[in-house]
Amino acid sequence: SQELEQSPQSLIVQEGKNLTINCTSSKTLYGLYWYKQKYGEGLIFLMMLQKGGEEKSHEKITAKLDEKKQQSSLHITASQPSHAGIYLCGAPSGSSNTGKLIFGQGTTLQVKP
Amino acid sequence: DTGVSQDPRHKITKRGQNVTFRCDPISEHNRLYWYRQTLGQGPEFLTYFQNEAQLEKSRLLSDRFSAERPKGSFSTLEIQRTEQGDSAMYLCASSLALVTVGGETQYFGPGTRLLVL
Repeated sequence: SQELEQSPQSLIVQEGKNLTINCTSSKTLYGLYWYKQKYGEGLIFLMMLQKGGEEKSHEKITAKLDEKKQQSSLHITASQPSHAGIYLCGAPSGSSNTGKLIFGQGTTLQVKP
Repeated sequence: DTGVSQDPRHKITKRGQNVTFRCDPISEHNRLYWYRQTLGQGPEFLTYFQNEAQLEKSRLLSDRFSAERPKGSFSTLEIQRTEQGDSAMYLCASSLALVTVGGETQYFGPGTRLLVL
């Protein structure tokens, strides 16, 4: 079965610093989703990547999917306290169109003012 | 508010009791998913519906769990004879299914946090 591994598991950065979170799949990805979650709340959709080499940006967050479609990275530039939370990568399970997602274990980000 | 809503947000129950959660998806979405999330882990798939048909159930969904989506709108998830191991966050998500694999985006509700004493 497919697994997603996120690194690091947790991260503490000073406000203004850049950071990167990685998501590695055990199998080829047929799409990769990034979500953000505040503790005790639901997931907020950030970005979706589908094609190898694809890169998307929204405000200060950039996500990339590598050419081989087995790894994605999420990069935050000039971090702010509002970026704090749990970042989760999710991917469709296999190539069928069921839509169900498997998720990594999450990366907890703290931003120190 | 046109997002996914879930009710209740929190539920505390005693072991052995039955509980029911409700999810109202985004109105034009035809797919509805249930996930379970425990502390420090990512969500785990439980089941999903396309319109009113339940198309897949995870092995995590024991016979104490049942989900319905009558009329293809809201959905309920019932847990019978709750156990302490059922304590978790139950998340609902909805999407508009597309033909291409990986082309749909799931939007999540705020979750229902269950504590079984």
